[in-house]
Amino acid sequence: DIQMTQSPSSLSASVGDRVTITCRASQSISSYLNWYQQKPGKAPKLLIYAASSLQSAVPSKFSGGGSGTDFTLTINSLQPEDFATYYCQQSSTTPYTFGQGTKLEIK
Amino acid sequence: EVQLVESGGGLVQPGGSLRLSCAASGFTFNNYAMSWVRQAPGKGLEWVSAISGRGGSTYYADSVKGRFTISRDNSKNTLYVQMNSLRAEDTAVYYCAKPLSSSWTPYDYWGQGTLVTVSS
Repeated sequence: DIQMTQSPSSLSASVGDRVTITCRASQSISSYLNWYQQKPGKAPKLLIYAASSLQSAVPSKFSGGGSGTDFTLTINSLQPEDFATYYCQQSSTTPYTFGQGTKLEIK
Repeated sequence: EVQLVESGGGLVQPGGSLRLSCAASGFTFNNYAMSWVRQAPGKGLEWVSAISGRGGSTYYADSVKGRFTISRDNSKNTLYVQMNSLRAEDTAVYYCAKPLSSSWTPYDYWGQGTLVTVSS
């Protein structure tokens, strides 16, 4: 199975900051990498797919990059509604494993 | 409007069985593979299983292989997962998820989730 490792596991930031979350795959997954945002008690929400494609209606403050084994999710100009947990997921081969999550908290 | 509504969760004893359902609407159900993803209390997301649009191909996480069976009834626009030999570690909120396109992922729509608690 492909292991997905996110860093950091938690992150404190202030409103207006720019943050970057990293996701590393245990083997090459080309660009088969998705990012989700999840708020407490809610289902995940798709932000980015195919490493860098922005899902419809998702603000352009979210951007993704990378290929192969190393990927990033960058969020510009943090707003209160952006504080949540973020997950990467590989969609190269089954099982379509998720990273362990990165909890973004307000500083 | 796409809607996914899970049902069937509840409290079950270790070793017991449960069948979850996911009623889909707002899209052509048999055109899409569907998946189950779970989340243990306070933990991250875990991909569980997926089934092709016509039901001919199925995939499972190692943690549930041989115990869970995914299926679908396209005439009823409903996805199922039959869960047998349940263990405490199967306790989780179970989500059904629809992919963005004709591929298997990513998931652009999720249900609200149904909680399964395995405990004596």
